[in-house]
Amino acid sequence: NAGVTQTPKFQVLKTGQSMTLQCAQDMNHEYMSWYRQDPGMGLRLIHYSVGAGITDQGEVPNGYNVSRSTTEDFPLRLLSAAPSQTSVYFCASSITGIPGELFFGEGSRLTVL
Amino acid sequence: EDQVTQSPEALRLQEGESSSLNCSYTVSGLRGLFWYRQDPGKGPEFLFTLYSAGEEKEKERLKATLTKKESFLHITAPKPEDSATYLCAVQARVDMRFGAGTRLTVKP
Repeated sequence: NAGVTQTPKFQVLKTGQSMTLQCAQDMNHEYMSWYRQDPGMGLRLIHYSVGAGITDQGEVPNGYNVSRSTTEDFPLRLLSAAPSQTSVYFCASSITGIPGELFFGEGSRLTVL
Repeated sequence: EDQVTQSPEALRLQEGESSSLNCSYTVSGLRGLFWYRQDPGKGPEFLFTLYSAGEEKEKERLKATLTKKESFLHITAPKPEDSATYLCAVQARVDMRFGAGTRLTVKP
């Protein structure tokens, strides 16, 4: 059982570069979401999806794009990386269409120089 | 605006020394309060869901309780393997709002 898989685990970018963080789940969960975790601030919701073809913004969406073409995959795109986007990113999923009990991936640590 | 505040930020206990972690929240229309455990370098792991004031849930040395304004995570006779960061989250609508967490260290 893979659960929620995130790649890459570590990434270093230069300011202005773009990249995609990948997230895949094999539990047939409807709800998927992306969070960022910064010291002392807790997890903050970036974007979420309640099913294939449906996405919406969370608390801190600026500078990020998402799409949900399949139930399994929910990639997060950084359009033009900024140092403020240095963080640990977590993908999470839930079996229902609302958050409820979330299953998290292991995280992707991103550094923007 | 929905808010979640956890205290203390950090807690150091001796093995066997029981204590409680606090999660205070303000939210319109609480749909659930959640506790997660997070080990260093890992994603959070679900522990409990509480839905209404007065509800309690237990798992091994952990017990979570809920009132209308706060939740407590009671740790009875903790062991070193209970060392982790404990996160509290509330759900009001389609998103979840997390607290910053309490970092618990249990010394043998």
